[in-house]
Amino acid sequence: DGGITQSPKYLFRKEGQNVTLSCEQNLNHDAMYWYRQDPGQGLRLIYYSQIVNDFQKGDIAEGYSVSREKKESFPLTVTSAQKNPTAFYLCASSWTVANYGYTFGSGTRLTVV
Amino acid sequence: KQEVTQIPAALSVPEGENLVLNCSFTDSAIYNLQWFRQDPGKGLTSLLLIQSSQREQTSGRLNASLDKSSGRSTLYIAASQPGDSATYLCAAQTGANNLFFGTGTRLTVIP
Repeated sequence: DGGITQSPKYLFRKEGQNVTLSCEQNLNHDAMYWYRQDPGQGLRLIYYSQIVNDFQKGDIAEGYSVSREKKESFPLTVTSAQKNPTAFYLCASSWTVANYGYTFGSGTRLTVV
Repeated sequence: KQEVTQIPAALSVPEGENLVLNCSFTDSAIYNLQWFRQDPGKGLTSLLLIQSSQREQTSGRLNASLDKSSGRSTLYIAASQPGDSATYLCAAQTGANNLFFGTGTRLTVIP
């Protein structure tokens, strides 16, 4: 079955550490996205990538970094510069033609300890 | 910038009742409107996608409508079941990389 796999499901980060969240898709989608979800707020876009080796900042990119070396993979690094990283992170993918909607992964819950 | 609003924020209904969830958006120039379901601590599951040229989509007990001119979409759930309890999110897509979400309606179906 095609889909998006996010790992790990739960992640704990100490103050000052960088952590990387994994996102892999086998849908052959061109575009991939990272969203952050906080209680009571809508999903906010962190970064997106339309093609390999290219990515763009979303609304809340500060303190995050991404790479897109393979079409299937779009890892997100939460750096120590992100002051409030505790949140639920969701990865999504889509065709670049904007008529087919998005597919989401199951999410990673990041907690700072 | 597109703003998406979902009212009510929470809804409780007895099992078997039909119900309607509402979604409104400010910019009618959308490519599509997508409804998602989210269970606690889980990712988003796509329920229905309505293209801008369509008026409605149906899947089982779910029916979603779209009225672009008024900036509104509704998700109708027939004969609700306890397993329908979840948060329902709508999202309006205005470009290839522009998907705007509402904050969701948390539905509880009481057995």
